[in-house]
Amino acid sequence: EAQVTQNPRYLITVTGKKLTVTCSQNMNHEYMSWYRQDPGLGLRQIYYSMNVEVTDKGDVPEGYKVSRKEKRNFPLILESPSPNQTSLYFCASIARPGTPSSYNEQFFGPGTRLTVL
Amino acid sequence: QKEVEQDPGPLSVPEGAIVSLNCTYSNSAFQYFMWYRQYSRKGPELLMYTYSSGNKEDGRFTAQVDKSSKYISLFIRDSQPSDSATYLCATTGFQKLVFGTGTRLLVSP
Repeated sequence: EAQVTQNPRYLITVTGKKLTVTCSQNMNHEYMSWYRQDPGLGLRQIYYSMNVEVTDKGDVPEGYKVSRKEKRNFPLILESPSPNQTSLYFCASIARPGTPSSYNEQFFGPGTRLTVL
Repeated sequence: QKEVEQDPGPLSVPEGAIVSLNCTYSNSAFQYFMWYRQYSRKGPELLMYTYSSGNKEDGRFTAQVDKSSKYISLFIRDSQPSDSATYLCATTGFQKLVFGTGTRLLVSP
């Protein structure tokens, strides 16, 4: 079954305690991305990766890091979380963006609800 | 100005109604246009995808893109209570996806 998995699904932590949210896809997709979703602001892109070892900033990258050492995994790292990073996070993958048919195949993970106290 | 504007709703309709959801975008370089459906406590799922201008139909759903006016529409015919969800539009030129804030749709039996 094609899917994007995220872990953990729920996390409550304290300010400054480093954390990692994992994302994995089993479809050999080239493109992976992280979003945060906040009320009234919709989905905002944090980072994206066009392929292994290729990452770039989205619209709200401050306070986040990512890595893409292998095609299937794209972890999101918060080195020093702050309360304004309390949000619902989604990972997504797309087969190969940039061609007319490519966006037909894309999947979102189930979400990670993060609370930073 | 946001790159993609979308009315947040909520939009309430009776079962069987035709629903029209709309977005506007500002960047003429955008070529790929998508609609997602998001149920409460779930991740978005791709509903419709359109490349460049034109219409695309899939069952009760029709996506429409008018690049001259930078307008994206999703029509739902014979709406059902199971269509109650938040609908997000999104667009991209190549790499970065830009989303609207989402419109919450409520279809009452």
